[in-house]
Amino acid sequence: LAKTTQPISMDSYEGQEVNITCSHNNIATNDYITWYQQFPSQGPRFIIQGYKTKVTNEVASLFIPADRKSSTLSLPRVSLSDTAVYYCLVGESGTNAGKSTFGDGTTLTVKP
Amino acid sequence: NAGVTQTPKFQVLKTGQSMTLQCAQDMNHNSMYWYRQDPGMGLRLIYYSASEGTTDKGEVPNGYNVSRLNKREFSLRLESAAPSQTSVYFCASRRDRVGDTQYFGPGTRLTVL
Repeated sequence: LAKTTQPISMDSYEGQEVNITCSHNNIATNDYITWYQQFPSQGPRFIIQGYKTKVTNEVASLFIPADRKSSTLSLPRVSLSDTAVYYCLVGESGTNAGKSTFGDGTTLTVKP
Repeated sequence: NAGVTQTPKFQVLKTGQSMTLQCAQDMNHNSMYWYRQDPGMGLRLIYYSASEGTTDKGEVPNGYNVSRLNKREFSLRLESAAPSQTSVYFCASRRDRVGDTQYFGPGTRLTVL
């Protein structure tokens, strides 16, 4: 099962771009990379998912290099409301469902 | 469409008491999950169910039992609560097609005295 490593915490200021990198050296061929966001006292919610190269949606971008051993979540022009914990999850495809681990995530603090 | 619902929202137990946490989803998802989250920590998988009638252990199953009652409902039971089980419990569900993601409930905050 792919184990992920993320920075424990990051600080940023409003309006800046934030990049959070996740390492997953033993990612399997059929594993997807999914990022979740969690606010205090709430369950995690999906932000973005990708398999390779680059994925962009209305909230974020996800960059995945060719070897897929890492991925970078990019949040453009963050605001105070982006302060949350961000989790990188590897797996969530087919029979690996349920065996993915969340880890401790990255606590992002956005300052005014 | 309520998504994933959990009851109760809050619960206080005394050591040794038992209780069942309820979870239901109305999205016709195949897989369901129970996680616990201790203060300042990430989520740890307790049990999951890939389909109705099947359950499997996650990272931290000791002290818990689960029942997948039907496709919609997945309950978590603490037979003899311990202070170490004080945590926030999240239920999640997933359809299980390639690339699908998990949908989480609002959580149950449990305190064991």
